[in-house]
Amino acid sequence: NAGVTQTPKFRVLKTGQSMTLLCAQDMNHEYMYWYRQDPGMGLRLIHYSVGEGTTAKGEVPDGYNVSRLKKQNFLLGLESAAPSQTSVYFCASSFGTGPSYEQYFGPGTRLTVT
Amino acid sequence: LAKTTQPISMDSYEGQEVNITCSHNNIATNDYITWYQQFPSQGPRFIIQGYKTKVTNEVASLFIPADRKSSTLSLPRVSLSDTAVYYCLVGDTRDDKIIFGKGTRLHILP
Repeated sequence: NAGVTQTPKFRVLKTGQSMTLLCAQDMNHEYMYWYRQDPGMGLRLIHYSVGEGTTAKGEVPDGYNVSRLKKQNFLLGLESAAPSQTSVYFCASSFGTGPSYEQYFGPGTRLTVT
Repeated sequence: LAKTTQPISMDSYEGQEVNITCSHNNIATNDYITWYQQFPSQGPRFIIQGYKTKVTNEVASLFIPADRKSSTLSLPRVSLSDTAVYYCLVGDTRDDKIIFGKGTRLHILP
Protein backbone atom coordinates (compact mmCIF):
# COMPACT_ATOMS: atom_id res chain seq x y z
CA ASN A 1 0.00 0.00 0.00
CA ALA A 2 1.94 3.00 -1.30
CA GLY A 3 -0.59 5.64 -0.25
CA VAL A 4 -0.19 8.81 -2.32
CA THR A 5 2.68 9.02 -4.77
CA GLN A 6 3.80 11.94 -6.92
CA THR A 7 5.84 12.02 -10.10
CA PRO A 8 8.33 13.62 -10.61
CA LYS A 9 9.99 14.60 -7.32
CA PHE A 10 11.96 17.47 -8.85
CA ARG A 11 11.74 19.40 -12.07
CA VAL A 12 13.31 22.49 -13.61
CA LEU A 13 11.46 24.24 -16.42
CA LYS A 14 12.20 27.22 -18.57
CA THR A 15 9.60 29.97 -18.81
CA GLY A 16 6.96 29.01 -21.34
CA GLN A 17 7.53 25.26 -21.17
CA SER A 18 4.76 22.89 -20.23
CA MET A 19 4.63 19.89 -17.96
CA THR A 20 2.28 17.52 -16.19
CA LEU A 21 2.54 16.39 -12.60
CA LEU A 22 1.06 13.00 -11.80
CA CYS A 23 -0.57 12.04 -8.52
CA ALA A 24 -1.64 8.48 -7.82
CA GLN A 25 -3.40 6.98 -4.80
CA ASP A 26 -4.18 3.36 -4.02
CA MET A 27 -6.67 3.90 -1.20
CA ASN A 28 -9.77 4.08 -3.41
CA HIS A 29 -10.40 7.66 -2.27
CA GLU A 30 -13.03 9.71 -4.03
CA TYR A 31 -11.51 13.11 -3.29
CA MET A 32 -8.19 14.39 -4.55
CA TYR A 33 -6.48 17.77 -4.22
CA TRP A 34 -3.55 19.74 -5.57
CA TYR A 35 -1.86 22.33 -3.35
CA ARG A 36 1.12 24.58 -3.76
CA GLN A 37 3.37 25.75 -0.97
CA ASP A 38 5.72 28.68 -1.31
CA PRO A 39 8.64 29.21 1.11
CA GLY A 40 7.45 30.05 4.61
CA MET A 41 3.81 29.90 3.55
CA GLY A 42 0.93 27.59 4.20
CA LEU A 43 -0.66 25.40 1.58
CA ARG A 44 -2.91 26.94 -1.01
CA LEU A 45 -5.46 24.85 -2.86
CA ILE A 46 -5.11 24.93 -6.66
CA HIS A 47 -7.75 22.50 -7.87
CA TYR A 48 -9.58 19.55 -6.46
CA SER A 49 -11.79 16.67 -7.56
CA VAL A 50 -14.78 15.11 -5.83
CA GLY A 51 -14.76 12.02 -8.01
CA GLU A 52 -13.68 10.48 -11.28
CA GLY A 53 -14.36 12.81 -14.19
CA THR A 54 -14.90 15.89 -11.99
CA THR A 55 -12.70 18.87 -11.22
CA ALA A 56 -13.20 22.17 -9.43
CA LYS A 57 -11.21 25.35 -8.80
CA GLY A 58 -9.55 26.10 -5.51
CA GLU A 59 -7.98 29.31 -4.20
CA VAL A 60 -5.28 29.78 -6.86
CA PRO A 61 -6.33 27.99 -10.09
CA ASP A 62 -4.97 30.42 -12.68
CA GLY A 63 -2.24 29.00 -14.89
CA TYR A 64 -3.07 25.38 -14.04
CA ASN A 65 -5.34 22.72 -15.46
CA VAL A 66 -6.27 19.36 -14.03
CA SER A 67 -7.84 16.10 -15.12
CA ARG A 68 -9.24 13.10 -13.26
CA LEU A 69 -9.84 10.48 -15.94
CA LYS A 70 -9.26 7.61 -13.54
CA LYS A 71 -10.29 7.50 -9.91
CA GLN A 72 -6.78 6.75 -8.72
CA ASN A 73 -5.01 9.48 -10.71
CA PHE A 74 -5.13 13.28 -10.59
CA LEU A 75 -3.02 15.20 -13.08
CA LEU A 76 -1.90 18.81 -12.74
CA GLY A 77 -0.81 20.59 -15.89
CA LEU A 78 1.11 23.78 -16.48
CA GLU A 79 0.60 24.88 -20.07
CA SER A 80 3.06 27.76 -20.09
CA ALA A 81 5.22 27.84 -16.98
CA ALA A 82 6.07 31.14 -15.31
CA PRO A 83 8.65 31.93 -12.59
CA SER A 84 5.75 32.68 -10.23
CA GLN A 85 4.88 28.98 -10.40
CA THR A 86 8.14 28.01 -8.73
CA SER A 87 6.90 26.17 -5.68
CA VAL A 88 6.48 22.81 -3.99
CA TYR A 89 3.37 21.01 -5.16
CA PHE A 90 1.54 18.57 -2.93
CA CYS A 91 -1.17 16.16 -3.89
CA ALA A 92 -3.60 14.76 -1.34
CA SER A 93 -6.56 12.41 -1.25
CA SER A 94 -9.34 11.68 1.20
CA PHE A 95 -12.23 9.30 1.65
CA GLY A 96 -14.73 12.05 2.32
CA THR A 97 -15.04 15.78 1.90
CA GLY A 98 -14.06 18.60 4.21
CA PRO A 99 -11.81 18.95 7.24
CA SER A 100 -13.55 16.18 9.18
CA TYR A 101 -12.00 13.59 6.87
CA GLU A 102 -8.26 12.94 7.04
CA GLN A 103 -6.30 14.01 3.99
CA TYR A 104 -3.33 11.87 2.97
CA PHE A 105 -0.52 13.79 1.35
CA GLY A 106 2.12 12.79 -1.15
CA PRO A 107 5.83 13.61 -0.74
CA GLY A 108 5.68 16.68 -2.95
CA THR A 109 7.16 17.85 -6.25
CA ARG A 110 9.69 20.66 -6.15
CA LEU A 111 9.32 22.75 -9.31
CA THR A 112 11.65 25.54 -10.35
CA VAL A 113 10.81 27.76 -13.31
CA THR A 114 13.70 29.83 -14.63
CA LEU B 1 -15.29 27.13 6.52
CA ALA B 2 -14.67 28.75 9.87
CA LYS B 3 -11.75 31.14 10.01
CA THR B 4 -8.98 30.16 12.39
CA THR B 5 -6.29 32.21 14.09
CA GLN B 6 -3.16 30.70 15.58
CA PRO B 7 0.26 32.05 16.56
CA ILE B 8 2.73 32.38 13.70
CA SER B 9 5.59 30.82 15.62
CA MET B 10 6.58 29.36 18.98
CA ASP B 11 9.81 28.23 20.57
CA SER B 12 10.17 25.66 23.31
CA TYR B 13 12.78 23.37 24.83
CA GLU B 14 13.14 19.64 24.72
CA GLY B 15 11.21 17.84 27.44
CA GLN B 16 8.65 20.58 27.94
CA GLU B 17 4.93 20.43 27.23
CA VAL B 18 3.87 22.67 24.36
CA ASN B 19 0.40 24.10 23.97
CA ILE B 20 -0.71 25.71 20.72
CA THR B 21 -4.03 27.53 20.83
CA CYS B 22 -6.28 28.11 17.85
CA SER B 23 -9.16 30.58 17.85
CA HIS B 24 -12.26 29.85 15.78
CA ASN B 25 -14.96 32.24 16.98
CA ASN B 26 -17.42 31.46 14.18
CA ILE B 27 -17.32 27.68 14.46
CA ALA B 28 -20.56 26.05 13.38
CA THR B 29 -22.50 23.37 15.21
CA ASN B 30 -21.43 20.57 12.88
CA ASP B 31 -17.78 21.61 12.58
CA TYR B 32 -14.92 19.39 13.69
CA ILE B 33 -11.51 20.70 14.73
CA THR B 34 -8.56 19.04 13.04
CA TRP B 35 -4.82 19.49 13.44
CA TYR B 36 -2.12 18.62 10.93
CA GLN B 37 1.65 18.50 11.36
CA GLN B 38 4.12 19.26 8.59
CA PHE B 39 7.82 18.45 8.84
CA PRO B 40 10.29 20.26 6.59
CA SER B 41 10.23 18.99 3.00
CA GLN B 42 7.25 16.72 3.66
CA GLY B 43 3.51 16.90 3.13
CA PRO B 44 1.25 17.54 6.12
CA ARG B 45 -0.02 14.62 8.12
CA PHE B 46 -3.13 14.35 10.25
CA ILE B 47 -2.42 14.20 13.97
CA ILE B 48 -5.68 14.67 15.86
CA GLN B 49 -9.32 15.64 15.54
CA GLY B 50 -12.05 16.47 18.00
CA TYR B 51 -15.52 17.90 18.43
CA LYS B 52 -15.71 18.76 22.12
CA THR B 53 -14.00 18.23 25.49
CA LYS B 54 -10.77 16.28 25.22
CA VAL B 55 -9.26 13.87 22.74
CA THR B 56 -5.97 12.07 23.26
CA ASN B 57 -3.91 9.81 21.05
CA GLU B 58 -0.33 8.60 20.99
CA VAL B 59 0.91 11.86 19.52
CA ALA B 60 -1.04 14.68 21.17
CA SER B 61 -4.04 15.83 23.15
CA LEU B 62 -6.70 18.23 21.96
CA PHE B 63 -8.61 20.33 24.48
CA ILE B 64 -11.86 22.00 23.42
CA PRO B 65 -13.81 24.19 25.87
CA ALA B 66 -17.57 24.08 26.09
CA ASP B 67 -18.12 27.10 23.83
CA ARG B 68 -15.82 25.54 21.18
CA LYS B 69 -14.56 28.98 20.14
CA SER B 70 -10.99 27.88 20.62
CA SER B 71 -8.96 24.70 20.90
CA THR B 72 -5.55 23.80 22.27
CA LEU B 73 -3.19 21.24 20.84
CA SER B 74 -0.97 19.85 23.57
CA LEU B 75 2.30 18.06 22.81
CA PRO B 76 3.73 16.34 25.88
CA ARG B 77 7.48 16.28 26.49
CA VAL B 78 8.54 17.55 23.08
CA SER B 79 11.76 16.53 21.39
CA LEU B 80 13.78 18.11 18.58
CA SER B 81 11.84 15.96 16.12
CA ASP B 82 8.63 17.80 16.98
CA THR B 83 9.98 20.86 15.17
CA ALA B 84 7.34 21.37 12.49
CA VAL B 85 4.48 23.55 11.33
CA TYR B 86 1.12 22.81 12.96
CA TYR B 87 -2.13 23.68 11.20
CA CYS B 88 -5.53 24.09 12.82
CA LEU B 89 -8.53 23.47 10.58
CA VAL B 90 -12.24 23.78 11.29
CA GLY B 91 -15.10 22.53 9.16
CA ASP B 92 -17.37 19.62 8.38
CA THR B 93 -18.49 17.41 5.53
CA ARG B 94 -20.43 20.25 3.92
CA ASP B 95 -17.10 21.79 3.02
CA ASP B 96 -15.76 20.18 -0.13
CA LYS B 97 -12.27 21.46 0.40
CA ILE B 98 -9.84 22.34 3.13
CA ILE B 99 -8.25 25.76 3.45
CA PHE B 100 -4.89 25.66 5.20
CA GLY B 101 -3.64 28.86 6.79
CA LYS B 102 0.01 29.59 7.52
CA GLY B 103 -0.02 27.43 10.64
CA THR B 104 2.20 27.73 13.70
CA ARG B 105 5.90 27.16 13.19
CA LEU B 106 7.11 25.32 16.31
CA HIS B 107 10.83 25.31 16.94
CA ILE B 108 12.17 23.00 19.63
CA LEU B 109 15.51 23.97 21.12
CA PRO B 110 17.98 21.59 22.79
